Amino acid sequence: KNQVEQSPQSLIILEGKNCTLQCNYTVSPFSNLRWYKQDTGRGPVSLTIMTFSENTKSNGRYTATLDADTKQSSLHITASQLSDSASYICVVSAYNNNDMRFGAGTRLTVKP
Amino acid sequence: NAGVTQTPKFQVLKTGQSMTLQCAQDMNHNSMYWYRQDPGMGLRLIYYSASEGTTDKGEVPNGYNVSRLNKREFSLRLESAAPSQTSVYFCASTASHSTDTQYFGPGTRLTVL
Repeated sequence: KNQVEQSPQSLIILEGKNCTLQCNYTVSPFSNLRWYKQDTGRGPVSLTIMTFSENTKSNGRYTATLDADTKQSSLHITASQLSDSASYICVVSAYNNNDMRFGAGTRLTVKP
Repeated sequence: NAGVTQTPKFQVLKTGQSMTLQCAQDMNHNSMYWYRQDPGMGLRLIYYSASEGTTDKGEVPNGYNVSRLNKREFSLRLESAAPSQTSVYFCASTASHSTDTQYFGPGTRLTVL
C-alpha cells in the first residue's frame, strides 16, 4: 500500500473556480510535506514545502495546509486558470530517512 | 542557469541492450537523485547521491547502477535493459538533503522492446 494517497485521481473544473486537492499519508516519523505541479511531458516543479510546525503555506494562488495529527494535507487553488491544468503531486519525507514518498498525483483539467 | 539537464530526451532499446542516462546540474547542489515514473504510480526513487562521492539505493534499485562523476554529474546505467524498465526517468537535485527545494530535469522517455 502506498504511504501517500491522493484524491481525487482526476478533477475537471471551469476556469475561475476554486478547487481543493487532498493528500493522506502514513509516512512516519514525519519530516516534511511538499506539493509539486507537473505539466504534461515535463518534470515536477515545487509549489510548497511544509515542516511539522507549519500548518499553512501559500504560493500565489496556491495554498497548502497540513494537519500532522490526522496526517492530512490539502492544496487549495483559487481562481483557477487554464495554465493550472496539470498533475499535482504530494510528497512526504520521513525524519532521518533519505527517501521521499510520492503520491500518484491528481490530474486537474481547467476548462474555459 | 540551465538548472537540471538530462540526455537523451527519448530512447528506444531492445531487450538486453545497455545504455547510460546522463544528468547534470549547474546549481552547485550537493544531492542528486534518479526517479522513474510509471502511469498511475508516484515517482519512485532508484538511487540518490547525498554528496559527491557517495551513492545509496532507493526504493527500486534492481537493474540499475549509478555513478556520481563529480559534483555536477550523476549518471544512471542500465546494463541489460528489460521491458519492465520502460518508463520516464527523472533526475533531480537539491542544495542539501533536507527541506531544500528539489529541482527536476525534463525527463528521459525510455522504451524497451
